[in-house]
Amino acid sequence: DGGITQSPKYLFRKEGQNVTLSCEQNLNHDAMYWYRQDPGQGLRLIYYSQIVNDFQKGDIAEGYSVSREKKESFPLTVTSAQKNPTAFYLCASRLGGEQYFGPGTRLTVT
Amino acid sequence: DAKTTQPPSMDCAEGRAANLPCNHSTISGNEYVYWYRQIHSQGPQYIIHGLKNNETNEMASLIITEDRKSSTLILPHATLRDTAVYYCISKSGGTSYGKLTFGQGTILTVHP
Repeated sequence: DGGITQSPKYLFRKEGQNVTLSCEQNLNHDAMYWYRQDPGQGLRLIYYSQIVNDFQKGDIAEGYSVSREKKESFPLTVTSAQKNPTAFYLCASRLGGEQYFGPGTRLTVT
Repeated sequence: DAKTTQPPSMDCAEGRAANLPCNHSTISGNEYVYWYRQIHSQGPQYIIHGLKNNETNEMASLIITEDRKSSTLILPHATLRDTAVYYCISKSGGTSYGKLTFGQGTILTVHP
């Protein structure tokens, strides 16, 4: 089955630790995205990548980093510099105007 | 991309049509209207999009007014599984990186 996978579904970390969220797609899409969602809020764009080895900051990139070494993979690292990392993180890929979302990772930092 | 306005919540009886409105009065000529929905704790799901003509697919119909200032998403026979947050988004076809700006959407509750 084609789609986007994110793992793990739930992730717990201690404050001050970096954590990397996985996103893999087998849809052969060039463009990939990371969004953050806080309770009762819409999605906010963190980073996006239009092609391998290229990525751009979104609206709330501070405290996050990404890499795009392979077309299929777009991991997101939440660094200790991110002041409010607890959130629901969504990865997406795009074909034309439609974005396809993964199931999300709920990160809790205490 | 134009700002969109949606009611915060709506109710619908199971089996009836759900009509979700969206106002996008500042939409420009090359901006599409997209609809996504998000079931609790899942990733958003694409539903439908259109530019100026009405559109229909297996999930829903999209009716866009002639002046394009508003649109309505229609779920013809709502089921309990259609309970979700529905997002109306306008996006320029010329936005090369495809950013979607999600507002707070409409919480649709389908009840028995």
